[in-house]
Amino acid sequence: AQTVTQSQPEMSVQEAETVTLSCTYDTSESDYYLFWYKQPPSRQMILVIRQEAYKQQNATENRFSVNFQKAAKSFSLKISDSQLGDAAMYFCAYRSFFTGNQFYFGTGTSLTVIP
Amino acid sequence: SQTIHQWPATLVQPVGSPLSLECTVEGTSNPNLYWYRQAAGRGLQLLFYSIGIDQISSEVPQNLSASRPQDRQFILSSKKLLLSDSGFYLCAWTATDYGYTFGSGTRLTVV
Repeated sequence: AQTVTQSQPEMSVQEAETVTLSCTYDTSESDYYLFWYKQPPSRQMILVIRQEAYKQQNATENRFSVNFQKAAKSFSLKISDSQLGDAAMYFCAYRSFFTGNQFYFGTGTSLTVIP
Repeated sequence: SQTIHQWPATLVQPVGSPLSLECTVEGTSNPNLYWYRQAAGRGLQLLFYSIGIDQISSEVPQNLSASRPQDRQFILSSKKLLLSDSGFYLCAWTATDYGYTFGSGTRLTVV
């Protein structure tokens, strides 16, 4: 089974600064999807950004961007101009392209934004 | 547009009582449906997933069960709750190559 590792249980960032959350994964597949989800205190899981493995270009959504390194099996999330509302738990997730019935989640990174 | 509804939002149940959590999806057909549990801490544990009516896979053996009586309805049940069943339960759906869309979750406390 695929595994997803988030090695930073907690991170903090000053408001308006930039922070990068790390994620690595283990797979033997060549085609797959990677996701970052945000879980604020309300516990609602929200999709932040999505990357297809066959695309070389890194995905970007406003202040959120990823650094996708396929060979290194790394998928980090960069949050620019951090805002207080970015404080949340962030989960990295993997989904197989061919057998995509299940997602594999990392254990999460708790992000604190310091005013 | 597609929406997912999950209820109840909060539930306090005594040990040994039954459980029924419901999840419905609107605006799509034949979605893949999932039940996850998130224990205190953070990790998401996949409990059940369904790719169609009468097609339910269990990932973790336990005293919970799932059913899919209709195409867009997914129910999580238990005949007798245990203290260890306490947690935050999330329903989710997906289709094709998109990510999950999650419900708002149910916080279950077994006392």
